[in-house]
Amino acid sequence: KQEVTQIPAALSVPEGENLVLNCSFTDSAIYNLQWFRQDPGKGLTSLLLIQSSQREQTSGRLNASLDKSSGRSTLYIAASQPGDSATYLCAVRRRTSYDKVIFGPGTSLSVIP
Amino acid sequence: EPEVTQTPSHQVTQMGQEVILRCVPISNHLYFYWYRQILGQKVEFLVSFYNNEISEKSEIFDDQFSVERPDGSNFTLKIRSTKLEDSAMYFCASSESRGLQNEKLFFGSGTQLSVL
Repeated sequence: KQEVTQIPAALSVPEGENLVLNCSFTDSAIYNLQWFRQDPGKGLTSLLLIQSSQREQTSGRLNASLDKSSGRSTLYIAASQPGDSATYLCAVRRRTSYDKVIFGPGTSLSVIP
Repeated sequence: EPEVTQTPSHQVTQMGQEVILRCVPISNHLYFYWYRQILGQKVEFLVSFYNNEISEKSEIFDDQFSVERPDGSNFTLKIRSTKLEDSAMYFCASSESRGLQNEKLFFGSGTQLSVL
């Protein structure tokens, strides 16, 4: 059974800092891993998707890495801004039960001006 | 940029009543999903739908739930007799394809369902 965890549960940093969010999954037989952003009371915005054959993906100030063998992904945010404040979710798509994407509990990020 | 649209944004209903949550997926997408998030908990999968059939469903998706694509644009989730524990944010999602490693899920902004 696939379990997805994220640490830390909450993070508060001053503006301008670089930060790393962590995602762990128990079953390495994944198809891909997607990072989302969720603003309070809002939907999920896709940030980055890493295919199982890839090691990392970059978009602007965001960089996501994937290490399938250790069951880990990280989301690196460079030069954080107050507008980055949100909850960040990782979600794993497995090779079996393909449609049932498994989400982590999220990391709540606050960037202090 | 195309987006998944959900209506209403908030729905309040009495226990035992039927509710229909509506979604308009991205127009060229073929695969549709419903997820939900109970307050303070993880986002969890309910059901996937393709070619007018359920592809996969979770143990949450019991006989009280049904999905339908009544026309070429809408995708609905019906809860026949709502319970207090159905209170959650319900997200619709769609994807263009299925089975590709680079396939992304696109989510709507959700419908907050409150059952009183």
